Amino acid sequence: TQLLEQSPQFLSIQEGENLTVYCNSSSVFSSLQWYRQEPGEGPVLLVTVVTGGEVKKLKRLTFQFGDARKDSSLHITAAQPGDTGLYLCAGFSVGADGLTFGKGTHLIIQP
Amino acid sequence: DTAVSQTPKYLVTQMGNDKSIKCEQNLGHDTMYWYKQDSKKFLKIMFSYNNKELIINETVPNRFSPKSPDKAHLNLHINSLELGDSAVYFCASSYTTGNYEQYFGPGTRLTVT
Repeated sequence: TQLLEQSPQFLSIQEGENLTVYCNSSSVFSSLQWYRQEPGEGPVLLVTVVTGGEVKKLKRLTFQFGDARKDSSLHITAAQPGDTGLYLCAGFSVGADGLTFGKGTHLIIQP
Repeated sequence: DTAVSQTPKYLVTQMGNDKSIKCEQNLGHDTMYWYKQDSKKFLKIMFSYNNKELIINETVPNRFSPKSPDKAHLNLHINSLELGDSAVYFCASSYTTGNYEQYFGPGTRLTVT
């Protein structure tokens, strides 16, 4: 069974601070997706990373896929209250039974 | 227009009852999924359907049965509900199987009393 461990599980910081969320596994994934989920809603895709070492930027969010494709990170610069939510990483492997989701990072940005 | 819709949004029922949750997607996708999200927000896949054929069936009790009348709909029927079935159930769809973005519905919060 492939597992994705996310850390930290909970993070509460002040507006304007920077933060990094990690997603780690002992398994290799073909690709990794990051989703954000707000209360009462379903997850929404933020980005997909495919190539080892790949870096993608989405405004103040920077996503990186590890060289060995076993881990990923999400860095947020100058966090804003609108960034508050549950961040989920999900890995895909060819031949596996769909996406494997991590347990999520609950992020709270306080004004 | 809502891409993936689910009904009902909330469902409260007693143990032993049978209930259904409906899901529809208007994205023209070939693959649809059902996920269960527990109280700790862990999202776990239950089923997926590709062109009306079940292609994933995780270790889900056979009290849960997905039904797909066409590729735009994937309903979830649950027999003999148990307390442990209380969770939020999400429907999702993707272009096809594999490494494609999944579009999630708003979820159905099921509470079994």
